[in-house]
Amino acid sequence: EPEVTQTPSHQVTQMGQEVILRCVPISNHLYFYWYRQILGQKVEFLVSFYNNEISEKSEIFDDQFSVERPDGSNFTLKIRSTKLEDSAMYFCASSEGTGVNEQYFGPGTRLTVT
Amino acid sequence: GEDVEQSLFLSVREGDSSVINCTYTDSSSTYLYWYKQEPGAGLQLLTYIFSNMDMKQDQRLTVLLNKKDKHLSLRIADTQTGDSAIYFCAESRMNSGGYQKVTFGTGTKLQVIP
Repeated sequence: EPEVTQTPSHQVTQMGQEVILRCVPISNHLYFYWYRQILGQKVEFLVSFYNNEISEKSEIFDDQFSVERPDGSNFTLKIRSTKLEDSAMYFCASSEGTGVNEQYFGPGTRLTVT
Repeated sequence: GEDVEQSLFLSVREGDSSVINCTYTDSSSTYLYWYKQEPGAGLQLLTYIFSNMDMKQDQRLTVLLNKKDKHLSLRIADTQTGDSAIYFCAESRMNSGGYQKVTFGTGTKLQVIP
């Protein structure tokens, strides 16, 4: 069964550093998403991406965040200057399109900012 | 905005039935979902129900939807220790971008006692 993959599984970085989280969505999917889950809290929507542009972003997704689909397979989330409060589990998801549009989630990347 | 609420914790004995409850506020929800998250793992879609349905059964899982009261429940029959996890309720609605925007609840931690 096809699945969404994410790398790395765990990233430790120092405050102020840039990080890039990588995702490989399911190959025939057209919509891509990033979510965040701070430890013990709910899963929060960050951004959706379709047709090489952002469809929607939440208020969490400020100028420090950016997303990119650099080639036909990868979907990345960049945090330019990490803060302690960026420490969280970051989930990538993808969906085929509209309709039932089930979102398939990756296993997540645990980001720890020290 | 949309809000999804769940109780935080449920403890049941192995072999008993578990019922996890959820309430939501968005009257335009299209789909309602139950996701399972095991420790250190990503989000696994267990089941979903379309908003015009009352019930859906899938093996040991039964989903009940009361659209009038905006109440969703997940019943797990013959609960096993492997069912111990956090269960997230989620709802989605079609937004202007043409995809289902998903809002998650806080998650209910299910503890199964052998």
